[in-house]
Amino acid sequence: QITLKESGPTLVKSTQTLTLTCTFSGFSLSTSGVGVGWIRQPPGKALEWLALIYWDDDKRYSPSLRSRLTITKDTSKSQVVLTLTNVDPMDTSTYYCAHRKSGYYIFDFWGQGTLVTVSS
Amino acid sequence: QSALTQEASVSGTVGQKVTLSCTGNSNNIGSYTVGWYQQISHGAPKTVMFGNSLPSGIPDRFSGSKSGTTASLTISGLQPEDEADYYCSTWDYSLSDWVFGGGTKLTVL
Repeated sequence: QITLKESGPTLVKSTQTLTLTCTFSGFSLSTSGVGVGWIRQPPGKALEWLALIYWDDDKRYSPSLRSRLTITKDTSKSQVVLTLTNVDPMDTSTYYCAHRKSGYYIFDFWGQGTLVTVSS
Repeated sequence: QSALTQEASVSGTVGQKVTLSCTGNSNNIGSYTVGWYQQISHGAPKTVMFGNSLPSGIPDRFSGSKSGTTASLTISGLQPEDEADYYCSTWDYSLSDWVFGGGTKLTVL
């Protein structure tokens, strides 16, 4: 059974760096084809993809946020970490991590999400 | 402005068949499998369809299809628990971006 869970601060201040951790089980990020992504959702708005890391350490970033995002993995800990630099109140969102279905541009399992508020 | 266009809202009565659409272009829907995600009361998204395949545990009243650059999610025999926001998504190779639609709010009357 695949599960994912996000963790990190609930409140950060403008200009700070936000670091979120996704801890997962039920799969290994060393298995060919596996990927884990991050998606966020501002209050009342649509989902927005942020980043994805593959089993081979290949990384993909949202073009609009590429300069501020970094995604890394720790296979031994079954964790994926996302950092977002120079945060702004507009980064206030619920942040989700999700398992990418191998061979598809589909997320098939999602974490519960974590709400991060950025204060000015 | 989302790369994928969805109806803002759709409604139907219990037992009715409803279809949600997701329109893109040849760079996204025309080239890749589309995922559909259900979000109930702002909870975590749940995958209810990818392409025309049902994930495990999703009722078979959900079905998916694609014609050209438009994907559709059909719910046959609408149930009260289907009331939710639905998002479509896929990869866009021109944008090098994983794109989502703006979401459709489905109301069960």
